[in-house]
Amino acid sequence: KAGVTQTPRYLIKTRGQQVTLSCSPISGHRSVSWYQQTPGQGLQFLFEYFSETQRNKGNFPGRFSGRQFSNSRSEMNVSTLELGDSALYLCASSSEGPRGEAFFGQGTRLTVV
Amino acid sequence: SQQGEEDPQALSIQEGENATMNCSYKTSINNLQWYRQNSGRGLVHLILIRSNEREKHSGRLRVTLDTSKKSSSLLITASRAADTASYFCATGPFGNEKLTFGTGTRLTIIP
Repeated sequence: KAGVTQTPRYLIKTRGQQVTLSCSPISGHRSVSWYQQTPGQGLQFLFEYFSETQRNKGNFPGRFSGRQFSNSRSEMNVSTLELGDSALYLCASSSEGPRGEAFFGQGTRLTVV
Repeated sequence: SQQGEEDPQALSIQEGENATMNCSYKTSINNLQWYRQNSGRGLVHLILIRSNEREKHSGRLRVTLDTSKKSSSLLITASRAADTASYFCATGPFGNEKLTFGTGTRLTIIP
């Protein structure tokens, strides 16, 4: 069974640009969650999608958005990038949602310059 | 904001010794999970313990949960160099709220 796949693995963007990250969950998993990880703030929850609906949202500005497609693949978008958006973005899929075991991808390392 | 706080923040031990890390949380939970993260990579699920369980084992891992004290501990026995990683606890809600991660313990095994 293929694991969670995140693309791209590394990304360098300039302030003010926008970026789209992609996550393909494990086959059959309908819940996809996104996290931002930085040395200072640790793992911060961004949002969770289940069957194409956003079920939970963390405390991030509206520049951070996401969506989920009918095949459960998910994308997150960050507009008007700031230096502070540099982070490791992790996607996790689960068959049970937040109450079950989460399977993580390798992450996308975003650097904003 | 973090639900869980791991203690200690960093731990260095000799290979072969046991490593114990603790997690405290604030609100009632459905389950508590432990994850490992190797440097700059994704998290790997280690073990899930439900709120009605007190202890669980998986290989060299032993997890305890004390819901009255809102705390959990992860014991890794006979540590190996490959156990060097960051370890996070995560609390699972009763409903469909988010899985919330703690601040992590950085474990270094000295060969």
